Amino acid sequence: NAGVMQNPRHLVRRRGQEARLRCSPMKGHSHVYWYRQLPEEGLKFMVYLQKENIIDESGMPKERFSAEFPKEGPSILRIQQVVRGDSAAYFCASSDRLLNTEAFFGQGTRLTVV
Amino acid sequence: GESVGLHLPTLSVQEGDNSIINCAYSNSASDYFIWYKQESGKGPQFIIDIRSNMDKRQGQRVTVLLNKTVKHLSLQIAATQPGDSAVYFCAETPNTGFQKLVFGTGTRLLVSP
Repeated sequence: NAGVMQNPRHLVRRRGQEARLRCSPMKGHSHVYWYRQLPEEGLKFMVYLQKENIIDESGMPKERFSAEFPKEGPSILRIQQVVRGDSAAYFCASSDRLLNTEAFFGQGTRLTVV
Repeated sequence: GESVGLHLPTLSVQEGDNSIINCAYSNSASDYFIWYKQESGKGPQFIIDIRSNMDKRQGQRVTVLLNKTVKHLSLQIAATQPGDSAVYFCAETPNTGFQKLVFGTGTRLLVSP
């Protein structure tokens, strides 16, 4: 049973380009979460999705950021018109239950905006 | 010793010592807590969890203590090994109806051989 798979591991984008980050949850997991981590800081919640539904996006910036978890395929975090401040590590986690359960994290995508 | 400031607090110990990492959480309504270990360049790795109806839970070489009165969580690592060197985060789950983790600031553990 493979763990949470994220790709790419490293992504370099020029200012103004789009960044697409992919996350395949663990097999059997229907709950997906995206977190952002700046250097020397803890992870900050961005969005929680179930298949085809965004449940909570209270941690997502209102502009340029979007997320989806389609019926088939991985969850996608999209950042349009990237700026230097978007440079961070983006982690995806998945769980098999709604509450009080371990969330398994992927290895993250390190986005660098130049 | 410990240092605080702009950088992560750091705990330096010798191999074989016991380590205690502390965390203050913010939401008195949180009912589930997890300790994660994060090695450089990797994602957080689950260590141990505890529910709010418990005050202590033990795993292999690790113990988590929960003091709800002062909203304090601690992680004890027995016989610390060089492989334990990493950043440790506590995370709480406020009562939002789903598994939304709120992470603490983290503590870097350095274990010297």
